[in-house]
Parts: sequence; C-alpha cells; structure tokens
Amino acid sequence: EVQLVESGGGLIQPGGSLRLSCAASGFTFNSYGMSWVRQAPGKGLEWVSTISGGGGSTYYADSVKGRLTISRDNSKNTLYLQMNSLRAEDTAVYFCAKDRGSGTSPPRFDPWGQGTLVTVSS
Amino acid sequence: EIVLTQSPGTLSLSPGERATLSCRASQSVSSSFLAWYQQKPGQAPRLLIYGASSRATGIPDRISGSGSGTDFTLTISRLEPEDFAVYYCQQYGNSPTTFGQGTRLEIK
Repeated sequence: EVQLVESGGGLIQPGGSLRLSCAASGFTFNSYGMSWVRQAPGKGLEWVSTISGGGGSTYYADSVKGRLTISRDNSKNTLYLQMNSLRAEDTAVYFCAKDRGSGTSPPRFDPWGQGTLVTVSS
Repeated sequence: EIVLTQSPGTLSLSPGERATLSCRASQSVSSSFLAWYQQKPGQAPRLLIYGASSRATGIPDRISGSGSGTDFTLTISRLEPEDFAVYYCQQYGNSPTTFGQGTRLEIK
C-alpha cells in the first residue's frame, strides 16, 4: 500500500523559512514524479511544484517561483519543500502527492498524503 | 493557463438521487487529460476519475465521468451518504496543471 506522510509544518513569521518533508513507502520511489499541492483555509486546491523521479527536472507555479524549492532524496524515499521568504498568502495545508508517471509531464495526483499545515503570521 | 470553471457551486440533493457536476475549460484539454477528485472535511483529496472517464481503483461504478474538449461531467447515479463532499476537477494536459474551484455536494 502506498503511504505518504508529511511533516514539518507550523507557525512561522513572515519572511521566515521552513522545510517540509514527505516520507514515502509502498512503491518504487525513484520511478515516480512527486508534487506538492496546497490548500488555503476554506479554499480550493493549488498546484505548487513537481519534481521528476530522478530529481533532474523541477517545475513551479509562478506564485512560488524563486521562494520555494522542491527536492528529493531517493536513498531515503523522502520528498522535501524548502520554503523561504514566506508570506501570509502561503498559509495553507500542504499535501504531497504521487504522480502517475516519471514526472516530466503535467501531473495527475494519486494518492495524496494527509497534509501538513503551514501558518505564516506575526 | 487553462481555467476550469465548475458548476454549480453547491448542489443540494437527497440520498438516492442523481448528481451531475460540470467542469468547463477555457480551452480544449489535451487528450482528455481531465481528472476528478473527492475531498471530505479534514481529509486529503481522493482520485475518482482520470482520462475524463476512467475510474480509479476501488471507485464504484455508480460514479462516472464523461466529456471531451472543453466540457466534462461527473455523474453519481444514486447518491449514498458517503458521497456528500467537495468535488474538484483538474486538467493535466497542459502546463501548468490547474484545478477548478470545486462543487460542494450537500445533503438536502
């Protein structure tokens, strides 16, 4: 069974940094693209970033480009999201999700982790 | 980027009734790469339909998807209590991938 478990969320001041992690199990991690999708409180879903299975290709939404960095450690079956220069509008639940393929084409998400809440506030 | 518009915003129905949810794209979705997700309060989204009409693993056949081009539909033929949730469509045929704003299916 595929399992994705996020961690690292919390309360952070504007301008601060945070690193999210997503521990994966139940599939061949390095064969699949992985993504982060976020959901602001009471709002809809927003794709944030995708990384290919080997880690060589990364993709970002314009709203986070230059501030958030996706990476992965295939030896640890773990996905990361380094979040810098955080803003109030980054407040959301961040979900990691497995892609349908290697991550070099627009992703379809299945399954999703349970999410971790990031709150940016002073 | 492709904008997806879902309608209605909220749908109020009773168990046993038929639900029809719409997702309209601002331009044609390549290869019908359109997915539907269900999300219940406090939970992660779950994939229901991909490729516009293919059911994901474990999804009952009373849930179906149809459409192509710019107009897509999710149909639940006979509503069960567990079907009341928020539903999102997503296109993954063009970069960047985008989601609709969601349709809330509530018990009447």
